Amino acid sequence: NAGVTQTPKFRILKIGQSMTLQCTQDMNHNYMYWYRQDPGMGLKLIYYSVGAGITDKGEVPNGYNVSRSTTEDFPLRLELAAPSQTSVYFCASSIGGNTEAFFGQGTRLTVV
Amino acid sequence: GNSVTQMEGPVTLSEEAFLTINCTYTATGYPSLFWYVQYPGEGLQLLLKATKADDKGSNKGFEATYRKETTSFHLEKGSVQVSDSAVYFCALSVMGSSGYALNFGKGTSLLVTP
Repeated sequence: NAGVTQTPKFRILKIGQSMTLQCTQDMNHNYMYWYRQDPGMGLKLIYYSVGAGITDKGEVPNGYNVSRSTTEDFPLRLELAAPSQTSVYFCASSIGGNTEAFFGQGTRLTVV
Repeated sequence: GNSVTQMEGPVTLSEEAFLTINCTYTATGYPSLFWYVQYPGEGLQLLLKATKADDKGSNKGFEATYRKETTSFHLEKGSVQVSDSAVYFCALSVMGSSGYALNFGKGTSLLVTP
């Protein structure tokens, strides 16, 4: 029962570098989400997906890209890292839109 | 747009005190409402939910009632424990352009002292 697995747990990037945050779930969930969490700001939705091949923007998509080629995986790509992308990133999944979302442990990203 | 507004924290209570954390929402259509809890260093976990007006969600002594007339979903607990210290998030799920999107409030930090 792995649930939602995110890698890496921590990462330091230099400005302008790129990286991919990995997220995989083994619950056969249709919905997957990416959030960023900043102190005092709660969670902001970056992108979400309702199934393989379908993605849509959330509140704060600029500077990020996603893909959903399989049901299990939902990677988040940062192409040109900026200090404003320093945050904790959470991936989540749910079987449907109105059902419980299960969260990963988070990735703490620092851009310097 | 769709959004959730929670009371500002931090909230500090003594053990066995009564807890209320206010949550109001704005949404098109008929959202489902949730409370999630985040313990230090962890991801969020579902605490309770309600999917239609007048539904009451409850779990671990916490409860919240979906009030459509006041667009609210306040979280309550009659007697808090030190172990309830965490950050609590109100959230709503509503249909977006490509399916349901789950949106969160800013979170309310709760500290319970012995």
